[in-house]
Amino acid sequence: AIQLTQSPSSLSASVGDRVTFTCRSSRDISTLLAWYQQEPGKPPKLLIYDASSLQSGVPSRFSGSGSGTDFTLTISSLQPQDFATYYCQQSYDYPLTFGGGTKVEIK
Amino acid sequence: EGQLVESGGALVQPGGSLRLSCTASGFSFSSSLMDWVRQAPGKGLEWVANIKEDGTEKHYVGSVEGRFTISRDNARRSLYLQMDSLRAEDTAVYYCTRSNYRGFDPWGQGTLVTV
Repeated sequence: AIQLTQSPSSLSASVGDRVTFTCRSSRDISTLLAWYQQEPGKPPKLLIYDASSLQSGVPSRFSGSGSGTDFTLTISSLQPQDFATYYCQQSYDYPLTFGGGTKVEIK
Repeated sequence: EGQLVESGGALVQPGGSLRLSCTASGFSFSSSLMDWVRQAPGKGLEWVANIKEDGTEKHYVGSVEGRFTISRDNARRSLYLQMDSLRAEDTAVYYCTRSNYRGFDPWGQGTLVTV
């Protein structure tokens, strides 16, 4: 199975900060990577698909980049509602897999 | 946008069975690849299974293969997950979600299965 490794596993940041976290795949997955945001007690929400395409309705402060094995999600200016856990997920091969998540906490 | 509502979660003994259901509205269910994703308490997300639009093709994660069966009824706009030989490690919130082969959206609110 393709393994996705997210780093860091958690980070502390302040409102207005620019934050970037990474997702590394155990093998080349082209751009078949998505990013999700999950708040406590809620289902995940799709933010980015195809590594860099913004899902409809998602604020433009979120952006994704990368291809092959290395991907990043960037929040240009952290807002209070962005404190959550973020997951990457690959759709290149079965079984579909998720990364372990990055939890963004308030500094 | 679409909406998904899961049901059927419960407390069950190890070795028991359970059938989860998911009802869709607001999008073309019969044209959608559908998936189940689970999340153990305090843990990350794990993809469980999916089923092609016409039900002819199904895929499972290895840990549930042979124990879980995914199915659908397009006339009823419903997705199902039959879970047999349940184990303690199957304890999780189970989410129903639609896939566009690029990402999962929307998601249901989830139903809790405790083994």
